[in-house]
Amino acid sequence: DAGVTQSPTHLIKTRGQHVTLRCSPISGHKSVSWYQQVLGQGPQFIFQYYEKEERGRGNFPDRFSARQFPNYSSELNVNALLLGDSALYLCASSLEGRVNPGYTFGSGTRLTVV
Amino acid sequence: SQQGEEDPQALSIQEGENATMNCSYKTSINNLQWYRQNSGRGLVHLILIRSNEREKHSGRLRVTLDTSKKSSSLLITASRAADTASYFCATDVGGAQKLVFGQGTRLTINP
Repeated sequence: DAGVTQSPTHLIKTRGQHVTLRCSPISGHKSVSWYQQVLGQGPQFIFQYYEKEERGRGNFPDRFSARQFPNYSSELNVNALLLGDSALYLCASSLEGRVNPGYTFGSGTRLTVV
Repeated sequence: SQQGEEDPQALSIQEGENATMNCSYKTSINNLQWYRQNSGRGLVHLILIRSNEREKHSGRLRVTLDTSKKSSSLLITASRAADTASYFCATDVGGAQKLVFGQGTRLTINP
């Protein structure tokens, strides 16, 4: 079975640009969560979507947005990129909208903003 | 902001030795989970311990939880080179449908 897939794996953008990151959850999983991991730190929660609805939002500016599609895949969009947005963006899927018994994470998209 | 702190930030031991990592957190939790991350890629779920549990085992992993001290420890016995990775604790604070991660411990196993 395919795990959580994220695309692209690496991305370089210029300050002020916009970026879209994509995530496909494990088949049958209805919840997708997004995390940002800055180098040397633990992941920080950005969004959770369950059954195509936003169920949680972390402390991130409105430049960050996301959506979930009918097939449960998800996109994370970041507008007006800043240097500080450089990070590994992780997508995690779970069967339901709960973090118990734990997520399955994708391998992440490494975003570099120059 | 991070929920908790992990100690030590880095740990280097010889293959075959045991590795212990500690995690402290700030608020009441439903459960605490440990994840492993290799080379800055995706995280792998290792073990979950519920707030009403004190100790849990999974293979070479032993996790303890002390809710009165708001702390947890992860013990890896008989370490192997493949255990080299960063280890993160993450707390489920309930209702928020999110995990709050610590800053991680970077473990290096020397052959």
